Amino acid sequence: DTEVTQTPKHLVMGMTNKKSLKCEQHMGHRAMYWYKQKAKKPPELMFVYSYEKLSINESVPSRFSPECPNSSLLNLHLHALQPEDSALYLCASSQGQGVGTEAFFGQGTRLTVV
Amino acid sequence: GDSVTQMEGPVTLSEEAFLTINCTYTATGYPSLFWYVQYPGEGLQLLLKATKADDKGSNKGFEATYRKETTSFHLEKGSVQVSDSAVYFCALSDPGDGGFKTIFGAGTRLFVKA
Repeated sequence: DTEVTQTPKHLVMGMTNKKSLKCEQHMGHRAMYWYKQKAKKPPELMFVYSYEKLSINESVPSRFSPECPNSSLLNLHLHALQPEDSALYLCASSQGQGVGTEAFFGQGTRLTVV
Repeated sequence: GDSVTQMEGPVTLSEEAFLTINCTYTATGYPSLFWYVQYPGEGLQLLLKATKADDKGSNKGFEATYRKETTSFHLEKGSVQVSDSAVYFCALSDPGDGGFKTIFGAGTRLFVKA
């Protein structure tokens, strides 16, 4: 199984809503990532979890709250988002930080904030 | 800091034409280099990678050679197909930076006409 599965695929939420994005991998990868991708732009790193601990937060606003309940799951909790937060949110995983270690990406959740 | 520069798109080619997408990088350490592809409505997939100078990565008819002297990793394919239409991202990860961050170029959109 070389898949990273993200749910839901599409999400529309109001600015006062609370929602969560979910990501799952069963490749035994010990690093998991959240990226944000705006239209016609490259992915931007948001968070990195290594061995279930948050190791990188790229100065992301607190309205985005990541959680890693176990080595296979990664969540992104959303609260009080703004319309400019509308984007494709990509989850990825990798074996770790070795030379040449590539990231495996999910298909993403397309988020629209209204 | 580390960065990746790739040629602006979009690139429009006829089927069976030769493809080159230029990519250059700057890095403080000795990075691993990647090409990822993103088909419409999907996440990113690794296309090929190289981890040391003069390594050639190849996959599905695509090739790229790690050129340390010119800090380049140009993507080539001898004969493109309509199904190759996608966005292509050149990327690096730098072990000197912990190895977790993948730095992406801006992406090059390729259209292949039948």
